[in-house]
Amino acid sequence: GEDVEQSLFLSVREGDSSVINCTYTDSSSTYLYWYKQEPGAGLQLLTYIFSNMDMKQDQRLTVLLNKKDKHLSLRIADTQTGDSAIYFCAEMKEATDSWGKFQFGAGTQVVVTP
Amino acid sequence: GAVVSQHPSWVICKSGTSVKIECRSLDFQATTMFWYRQFPKQSLMLMATSNEGSKATYEQGVEKDKFLINHASLTLSTLTVTSAHPEDSSFYICSAIDRANPNTGELFFGEGSRLTVL
Repeated sequence: GEDVEQSLFLSVREGDSSVINCTYTDSSSTYLYWYKQEPGAGLQLLTYIFSNMDMKQDQRLTVLLNKKDKHLSLRIADTQTGDSAIYFCAEMKEATDSWGKFQFGAGTQVVVTP
Repeated sequence: GAVVSQHPSWVICKSGTSVKIECRSLDFQATTMFWYRQFPKQSLMLMATSNEGSKATYEQGVEKDKFLINHASLTLSTLTVTSAHPEDSSFYICSAIDRANPNTGELFFGEGSRLTVL
């Protein structure tokens, strides 16, 4: 099965908080990322967290990492229509031969409704 | 932040022709660049790792003679889809690691190139 799993769809009302969840299987993953992809565009790095951290906050974004459960979440506060996009969770190991080799989840389609 | 640019952003070609896609790091030197393929509503699939001055390393199942990768300089990698067929139609995305900051774990992605083979 997939090494990184995400729910496929999330609908949220404008102004509410969105929470996107991700689970991964490899406990040796060193970096965990959230990327945003708008229609027809490439990936935009939103934030990332080292595996020795539990939480990272950056303006409206909060990343929570539960290493025990191998669970990563991204919370977007005060969700706006411009946040509608596909959000990818990704992991990367620090091993030399794996450096830069990201394992991506399938992506969560977030739709923000007025 | 660091910028990676791909060209062309969209290309349509006839079956049997070859298409070259460029990936450039605009304001940094890239030690390593990666090429991905993305099918509609699916995740990115890593195709190959491209290191400047050496041969690319292809992932299992990716035909190296079909997808030629050249990383001739620290700011440019090219992907050539040879003898393209309709099943090669996809969204191709590159990413790069900043040579000056290789250990931050950051990858910078291009905007992607949509290939449609008729």
